[in-house]
Amino acid sequence: DGGITQSPKYLFRKEGQNVTLSCEQNLNHDAMYWYRQDPGQGLRLIYYSQIVNDFQKGDIAEGYSVSREKKESFPLTVTSAQKNPTAFYLCASSISGGGQPQHFGDGTRLSIL
Amino acid sequence: QKEVEQDPGPLSVPEGAIVSLNCTYSNSAFQYFMWYRQYSRKGPELLMYTYSSGNKEDGRFTAQVDKSSKYISLFIRDSQPSDSATYLCAMTDNTNAGKSTFGDGTTLTVKP
Repeated sequence: DGGITQSPKYLFRKEGQNVTLSCEQNLNHDAMYWYRQDPGQGLRLIYYSQIVNDFQKGDIAEGYSVSREKKESFPLTVTSAQKNPTAFYLCASSISGGGQPQHFGDGTRLSIL
Repeated sequence: QKEVEQDPGPLSVPEGAIVSLNCTYSNSAFQYFMWYRQYSRKGPELLMYTYSSGNKEDGRFTAQVDKSSKYISLFIRDSQPSDSATYLCAMTDNTNAGKSTFGDGTTLTVKP
């Protein structure tokens, strides 16, 4: 079945540590996105990529970094510069930009030890 | 002011009721409108995707878009306990690289 796989499902970070969240899709979609969701809030865009080797900052990119070396993979690193990283992180993809609907993975919940 | 405002809820209805979920928006460039359903600890699942004003029906779900009023709705007929979830509206303009703007979600509980 085609879809988006996020791993791990739960992740714990120590103070001062960088952690990387994995996102893989086998939908052959060009565009990929990372969102952060806090309780009772909608989704806030962290980074997005429309094509391999290219990505742009979203609304809350500070303290995060990404790479897009392969079409099917878009990992997100939460750096130690992100002071409030506890949240639910969602990865999504769409066929292309320009209004196509996004399809989501089942998220990674990141907590601070 | 947020670009997309969603009725906050929470909403609790008896099984079989008709549910109306609503969002308003301020950006007249939005052209694509989506409704997602999100179960607890899961990612959002695309329910409805519409372009332009009018109604779109899929089973028990009807999405309605009124661009002149900048208002969208999702109606659920014959609601079931399995419909209990958070519903997110989202909208996109075709100039912004596919970036969608999401409402904060409405949590629905359907009681047997």
